[in-house]
Amino acid sequence: GAVVSQHPSRVICKSGTSVKIECRSLDFQATTMFWYRQFPKKSLMLMATSNEGSKATYEQGVEKDKFLINHASLTLSTLTVTSAHPEDSSFYICSASTSSKYDNEQFFGPGTRLTVL
Amino acid sequence: DAKTTQPPSMDCAEGRAANLPCNHSTISGNEYVYWYRQIHSQGPQYIIHGLKNNETNEMASLIITEDRKSSTLILPHATLRDTAVYYCIVRPRNNNDMRFGAGTRLTVKP
Repeated sequence: GAVVSQHPSRVICKSGTSVKIECRSLDFQATTMFWYRQFPKKSLMLMATSNEGSKATYEQGVEKDKFLINHASLTLSTLTVTSAHPEDSSFYICSASTSSKYDNEQFFGPGTRLTVL
Repeated sequence: DAKTTQPPSMDCAEGRAANLPCNHSTISGNEYVYWYRQIHSQGPQYIIHGLKNNETNEMASLIITEDRKSSTLILPHATLRDTAVYYCIVRPRNNNDMRFGAGTRLTVKP
C-alpha cells in the first residue's frame, strides 16, 4: 500500500520561533497533499490543500502567512508554522493522494505533535 | 460541514461484532461512503469504501442501504486493538477533499 511519512513526529519549540514539518509520500507520487490540524479530543480539521508546483488553497479562517505550505515536488510537502504561539500547539497530520494507481484515495501520515512553550 | 451523522460513542465486547452506524441522508448520486479510523495519537487509517453495493475486505464489511441514506460498518470479531475513533465520510470519488465529522469513539472491552 501507499505510505506517507512525517518528520518530525514530535517537536517542542519556544514561542515566537518557526517550525517546519515535512510530509513525504514514500512509494508513490502525490499530485495533491493536504494538511490537517487536530486539537485534543476533536476531529481533524482541513487547513489547506496543495498541488505540486502551485500555491496552496487555504480553508476559511486559516492564515496563509502563518501556515506556509510548500509542495515543491511530487513526493514532498512542507508546512511551516511561523512565529508559533502556545495556541498553535496541536497535532498536525498530512495526507497525500494520487489520481493514478490509487484513484484519488487519500493516505495519511502518522502526524506531528507540536508543543509551543 | 460534515455530511454525516454518527453516534458519539459505542462499546463492544471483545470477540463480538461491532456495528457502527452512519447517516448520510443528503448523499449525492456520485458520492462514495468512506470509513477511516484513528487510533489515539496516530494518523487516520483507511478501512473501506463503497458506492451502493455492500463491500467486504480483510478489515471490515460495509453495508449500504438501498436508498444510500445510511450505512453500517461491521467489524466481525472486535479486538482490543480496534478501540479507536471511526469516521464515516462521503465524497465524490474524483474529488480529493476529505472532511471529517466528529466520528464514533468505539471502545472494545475485555
